Amino acid sequence: DAKTTQPNSMESNEEEPVHLPCNHSTISGTDYIHWYRQLPSQGPEYVIHGLTSNVNNRMASLAIAEDRKSSTLILHRATLRDAAVYYCILTVWQAGTALIFGKGTTLSVSS
Amino acid sequence: DGGITQSPKYLFRKEGQNVTLSCEQNLNHDAMYWYRQDPGQGLRLIYYSQIVNDFQKGDIAEGYSVSREKKESFPLTVTSAQKNPTAFYLCASSMGQGWYYGYTFGSGTRLTVV
Repeated sequence: DAKTTQPNSMESNEEEPVHLPCNHSTISGTDYIHWYRQLPSQGPEYVIHGLTSNVNNRMASLAIAEDRKSSTLILHRATLRDAAVYYCILTVWQAGTALIFGKGTTLSVSS
Repeated sequence: DGGITQSPKYLFRKEGQNVTLSCEQNLNHDAMYWYRQDPGQGLRLIYYSQIVNDFQKGDIAEGYSVSREKKESFPLTVTSAQKNPTAFYLCASSMGQGWYYGYTFGSGTRLTVV
């Protein structure tokens, strides 16, 4: 499985934008880029995913580099509820593929 | 509302006992997954199932067993052969094309060996 590299931790202030980076230099052409987040003592929650083009939804935006070797999850205005562990995961374009988690980035948000 | 229900939320087991964790989904998803999470760590895949009556081992299947007799249900048994079962267990499901539609997780069962 292609691997991802994320910073261990990041800090942000409330109501400021947050850019969470993810490097995936060995990504293949059929790998989707997924982002999930996990609040303490809860199951992971879907945030966003994409293949080649930038993606936007109500939670966040996903900016994918032109060579697809890196991506950035953008939270436009951080809130205290966004404090969580954020996982960047590559999934193979194949039936029954499971998510394989790394250690993710722990985001802290201060008021 | 559709979702995944894991029960119980907390479970205590004596050493040497088998315990079964429940996972039920009403999302009509084809695939289901079990993960284990230790404190401060990411999730590790135990077992997954793409269709009824079929399942595959994940990275850490030793000491665990599963069944998939119904599409909606994917129970996990933690056997006495699992040497360090204390952990947070998470169940997930997806359409067959999970890479496209995304994955849904339950709220977890916290298992403690006493």
